[in-house]
Amino acid sequence: NAGVTQTPKFRILKIGQSMTLQCTQDMNHNYMYWYRQDPGMGLKLIYYSVGAGITDKGEVPNGYNVSRSTTEDFPLRLELAAPSQTSVYFCASSYRLTGETEAFFGQGTRLTVV
Amino acid sequence: KQEVTQIPAALSVPEGENLVLNCSFTDSAIYNLQWFRQDPGKGLTSLLLIQSSQREQTSGRLNASLDKSSGRSTLYIAASQPGDSATYLCAVISGGAQKLVFGQGTRLTINP
Repeated sequence: NAGVTQTPKFRILKIGQSMTLQCTQDMNHNYMYWYRQDPGMGLKLIYYSVGAGITDKGEVPNGYNVSRSTTEDFPLRLELAAPSQTSVYFCASSYRLTGETEAFFGQGTRLTVV
Repeated sequence: KQEVTQIPAALSVPEGENLVLNCSFTDSAIYNLQWFRQDPGKGLTSLLLIQSSQREQTSGRLNASLDKSSGRSTLYIAASQPGDSATYLCAVISGGAQKLVFGQGTRLTINP
């Protein structure tokens, strides 16, 4: 029972490089989310998706892109990495938005841009 | 826009004490509220989920309450232990939005 799987766990990027953070869930969840967490702060929403082919911006989308071609996968693309994107990135999923919906999180990707 | 606030930002208590963590939200039209635990350098572990129609949920030494009309939730931890040391985050799903909105968390330290 894998749940939400993120890869890689750690990554160091140089300024201007690009990379894709992978997120896969095996719970057949409709909703998927990408958050970033800066030191001592809560989680801020980058992008989210309510189903395959549908994505929308969250609070802090600049510098990122996403796609949702399948129910299972929700990759986050960083273009032209900047030091401000140094953070821990969390992917999450939930079945649907009702009262009994519970969100599940991956273990995070710790990204450093130097 | 939904905003979630957690007070205090940090709390340090001796082992064995009962304690309360607070979470407030500005828009009472929520689907549910979820409490998470985060250990240093780790991901989020779900502790309790309270649906908007519920007043409280209990799991072991943890009890979470919800007062939707006043926009408040509390997480009560009984007989605290050093292993409870972690950051506790609350998050709400608003009726009008399709996403979890988080508070900034309370960093809890239980001293032996």
